[in-house]
Amino acid sequence: DAEITQSPRHKITETGRQVTLACHQTWNHNNMFWYRQDLGHGLRLIHYSYGVQDTNKGEVSDGYSVSRSNTEDLPLTLESAASSQTSVYFCASSGSGSTDTQYFGPGTRLTVL
Amino acid sequence: LAKTTQPISMDSYEGQEVNITCSHNNIATNDYITWYQQFPSQGPRFIIQGYKTKVTNEVASLFIPADRKSSTLSLPRVSLSDTAVYYCLVGPLNTGFQKLVFGTGTRLLVSP
Repeated sequence: DAEITQSPRHKITETGRQVTLACHQTWNHNNMFWYRQDLGHGLRLIHYSYGVQDTNKGEVSDGYSVSRSNTEDLPLTLESAASSQTSVYFCASSGSGSTDTQYFGPGTRLTVL
Repeated sequence: LAKTTQPISMDSYEGQEVNITCSHNNIATNDYITWYQQFPSQGPRFIIQGYKTKVTNEVASLFIPADRKSSTLSLPRVSLSDTAVYYCLVGPLNTGFQKLVFGTGTRLLVSP
């Protein structure tokens, strides 16, 4: 069965370190997304991609970057982790049809000390 | 951006119908409304999606009035396993994703 996976599921890091969160989908979806989820804010869009070599900023992109070298993967990098980036991160993907919905991964809980 | 507003929490009992409303006054012409369910330590899971009027599937109904400034998710005869957080998402489906806006979620507690 097609799926979307994230790794690691839990990560603890220190302020200033570079961190990369992985997202891999086997749906063959063109669109991929990264969200963060914080209490009281729901899910907020960080970055998204329409396809290979395409990346775009979302609502809360400062301090984050993504790259899309193939259809299946969209890694999220925190160049210099900050305590404000402690959150739960969700990756999602969707097809390019007019009514395609997003499928979400299980999430990565990141703690920045 | 189509800011969305949902009730923070709702309580219900098994077997009852539950209606959760999402307000989205600034919805754009090409925006769809999608509802997701989320359990603890899991990613959101798609429930239902619509553009206008009424949509029904095997688990829920979605009511959207003509002005589209709100939507109501209806869960018939809830069970304990429906205890979860429910989010509405407003935005386009295949382009213009910078306009996607999730609600802050409604925590539904179903009691015996």
